[in-house]
Amino acid sequence: EVQLLESGGDLVQPGGSLRLSCAASGFTFSSYAMSWVRQAPGKGLEWVSDISGSGTTTYYADSVKGRFTISRDNSKNTLYLQLNSLRAEDTALYYCAGPYYDILTGYFGDYYYYGVAVWGQGTTVTVSS
Amino acid sequence: DIQLTQSPSFLSASVGDRVTITCRASQAISTYLAWYQQKPGKAPKLLIYAASTLQSGVPSRFSGSASGTEVTLTISSLQPEDFATYYCQQLNNYPRALTFGGGTKVEIK
Repeated sequence: EVQLLESGGDLVQPGGSLRLSCAASGFTFSSYAMSWVRQAPGKGLEWVSDISGSGTTTYYADSVKGRFTISRDNSKNTLYLQLNSLRAEDTALYYCAGPYYDILTGYFGDYYYYGVAVWGQGTTVTVSS
Repeated sequence: DIQLTQSPSFLSASVGDRVTITCRASQAISTYLAWYQQKPGKAPKLLIYAASTLQSGVPSRFSGSASGTEVTLTISSLQPEDFATYYCQQLNNYPRALTFGGGTKVEIK
């Protein structure tokens, strides 16, 4: 089964740190770029960060640049997001976003062309004193 | 960075209505654009990729088109299960920023 399972969300004080994890299964994890997408309560989707399949190339939204770090361990099929210097405005449900997947054909592809078809269920980060 | 302006942000419609949602980009985005549907408490669901290609399993009442910096999602005949929030996302630009539009909430009139 193709699956992404996030963990690590918690209540943290402003200025604090947290590490989110996303365990992937059902596809060749190292072959595909992965992203984190967040959604503040009652708000829209916000792309946070992106990492290449090899882990050598990363990108960040301006809102988190310098505070968040995306990484991956392909030997463990796991994606990470290190959140530092947390602010109240970082409060959100954080989704792990994976490759394109066609359930009918079993085809996987990079989301840069096809979009994200594999999503986790999300993990909640609350920043509050 | 490319900005996506989605309109309308809110839409009230009836079952059977034809609904159109527009996403305007601040610069050319080719056809590397996807549309998602999100229902409350659920992760987004991919509907359309490459601006106009229907994801497998998505009903044919959904369609997409692109012209210049404007992309459009159309639902030809709104069904009860289509009441949700819809997002566009641009996918392929450098430096990488997989920006979403602000979303369109489709509610029952």
